[in-house]
Amino acid sequence: TQLLEQSPQFLSIQEGENLTVYCNSSSVFSSLQWYRQEPGEGPVLLVTVVTGGEVKKLKRLTFQFGDARKDSSLHITAAQPGDTGLYLCAGRGPSGNTDKLIFGTGTRLQVFP
Amino acid sequence: DAGVIQSPRHEVTEMGQEVTLRCKPISGHNSLFWYRQTMMRGLELLIYFNNNVPIDDSGMPEDRFSAKMPNASFSTLKIQPSEPRDSAVYFCASSEGLAGHTQYFGPGTRLTVL
Repeated sequence: TQLLEQSPQFLSIQEGENLTVYCNSSSVFSSLQWYRQEPGEGPVLLVTVVTGGEVKKLKRLTFQFGDARKDSSLHITAAQPGDTGLYLCAGRGPSGNTDKLIFGTGTRLQVFP
Repeated sequence: DAGVIQSPRHEVTEMGQEVTLRCKPISGHNSLFWYRQTMMRGLELLIYFNNNVPIDDSGMPEDRFSAKMPNASFSTLKIQPSEPRDSAVYFCASSEGLAGHTQYFGPGTRLTVL
């Protein structure tokens, strides 16, 4: 069983559309991160959220940490082909161990021009 | 600056053979992590080191897997004997420290066991 479930698993949209990716768990995390991974490369960190209810913006990307620190969302406004990739959420500290990152199941996004 | 370096980038081997994957972390980073990524199981942590010492190997699937970090600039992940179900992309990541520090991932080694 996966500790962090992401939805949707796959998403294909047209350039200019908006989308939201969800990362859910029944466990509480001390912090949560979002990564983007492109084919043939390793994941690259986009953002870290630490406080319940925290919202962070990175250009057209908006990240939110749930109030109870069990879930998070990533919203992309006016998606572009360059946003294509695998988006992964990752949490720290579900069992008090903040050394390890627990990765979500992933959302594969394809943005068509 | 050089990021995390992994070699080889691709490895194709036959079942039963020994496979050694290599990783050079970012200079000055004290922590190193080995992950495995598959379609079925996603990205899983196998083992991690701090100051060259293995801290947690609970993610290593079985005794056929072993990892070493003989010095601060080199680590290996060995599979002996390899099996087709070991086929995956193996990533190495390094960070300045453990809790709270950003992990930087290498490009991965795609392993295919026939």
